[in-house]
Amino acid sequence: QQQVKQSPQSLIVQKGGISIINCAYENTAFDYFPWYQQFPGKGPALLIAIRPDVSEKKEGRFTISFNKSAKQFSLHIMDSQPGDSATYFCASLDYKLSFGAGTTVTVRA
Amino acid sequence: GAVVSQHPSWVICKSGTSVKIECRSLDFQATTMFWYRQFPKQSLMLMATSNEGSKATYEQGVEKDKFLINHASLTLSTLTVTSAHPEDSSFYICSARDTSGRGHEQFFGPGTRLTVL
Repeated sequence: QQQVKQSPQSLIVQKGGISIINCAYENTAFDYFPWYQQFPGKGPALLIAIRPDVSEKKEGRFTISFNKSAKQFSLHIMDSQPGDSATYFCASLDYKLSFGAGTTVTVRA
Repeated sequence: GAVVSQHPSWVICKSGTSVKIECRSLDFQATTMFWYRQFPKQSLMLMATSNEGSKATYEQGVEKDKFLINHASLTLSTLTVTSAHPEDSSFYICSARDTSGRGHEQFFGPGTRLTVL
């Protein structure tokens, strides 16, 4: 049973648009919430991460919003670029990482 | 950032043979390393957690006699797929947690594509 539910499965956005990916979790023991970016044939790379005592974290064009009471967190990619086309995974950590199912983002030029 | 390497990056083998995949943390020490398997268009599935100097902890449903893990040093873990069969064909990814105090961050290797004929 997947401990982290991620949506949507895929999305297409125009260059310059905003990509939004959502995740929800049940386990209140999770205390670290990273997002990973993966290109085809490559390993995942950490994009940005947040701890539950913070409601928002921004790094460049990437922002995590975190709602502890709703047990939800989301990734916003601002000013999306073709190079952002990849699969994005949310994850949650207690003693091990639990991954969402992934979202394939396609940015059209 | 911290670098994790894997070797080989891809391997093709015949059914029934064994294949060893190495995972190295290049610029940090890792008490704990993790092995994942990823099928096409799917998420990463944790296979086992490897602790330096002790036996690996396998996730439910993963055959420990088939997927042998050795974590001989703070910078090297190996995964051996024994008597490989076509259904073992997958993308295997390792990751390592820095023990020097970077907190929860795990660094992932580039992955190894295994194809069993």
